[in-house]
Amino acid sequence: DAGVIQSPRHEVTEMGQEVTLRCKPISGHNSLFWYRQTMMRGLELLIYFNNNVPIDDSGMPEDRFSAKMPNASFSTLKIQPSEPRDSAVYFCASSLLGAREQYFGPGTRLTVT
Amino acid sequence: GENVEQHPSTLSVQEGDSAVIKCTYSDSASNYFPWYKQELGKRPQLIIDIRSNVGEKKDQRIAVTLNKTAKHFSLHITETQPEDSAVYFCAASNSGANNLFFGTGTRLTVIP
Repeated sequence: DAGVIQSPRHEVTEMGQEVTLRCKPISGHNSLFWYRQTMMRGLELLIYFNNNVPIDDSGMPEDRFSAKMPNASFSTLKIQPSEPRDSAVYFCASSLLGAREQYFGPGTRLTVT
Repeated sequence: GENVEQHPSTLSVQEGDSAVIKCTYSDSASNYFPWYKQELGKRPQLIIDIRSNVGEKKDQRIAVTLNKTAKHFSLHITETQPEDSAVYFCAASNSGANNLFFGTGTRLTVIP
């Protein structure tokens, strides 16, 4: 199994630009999670989906952030417009609903200048 | 909601010694407690987990204990090796939701 796949691995953009992060969960997994990791705030859950449906988006910092899961094998996290404080590593993780173990992707390191 | 606290934030041990990391949780409904290891620049990786129907689980040099009454759980690493150096995260979850609530992490350094 290829594991959770994320792209891009690194993204450098200027303030005000739109950023789209992509995630492909492990085949057969039906829960998907987006996390943000910074030194100051640690590992924060942004949003998660069960069976492609958003269940809890209370961790999304503000309206500039949006996430979609159009099908079982693909999800996006979009930031528009981006700001320097959005600089972080963004992880996607997936699991089998009910199984609880989450498997993380390699992450996307986002730098907003 | 659930609140997970983790201590210590940093821990240094001599190679061969044991390391213990402790976490407490607030939600008595939590019943799943995983531990993740994150090496520098890498993704968090699940190393061991425990469910609330058992008090201890071991996997080679790693063990986790759970005290449901006190609402705390611990990670024990014996015979530490330099490759154990990493940041370790505890987490908690209840059966009503499959999201995890993470602790703030412990940076473990094993000194050769």
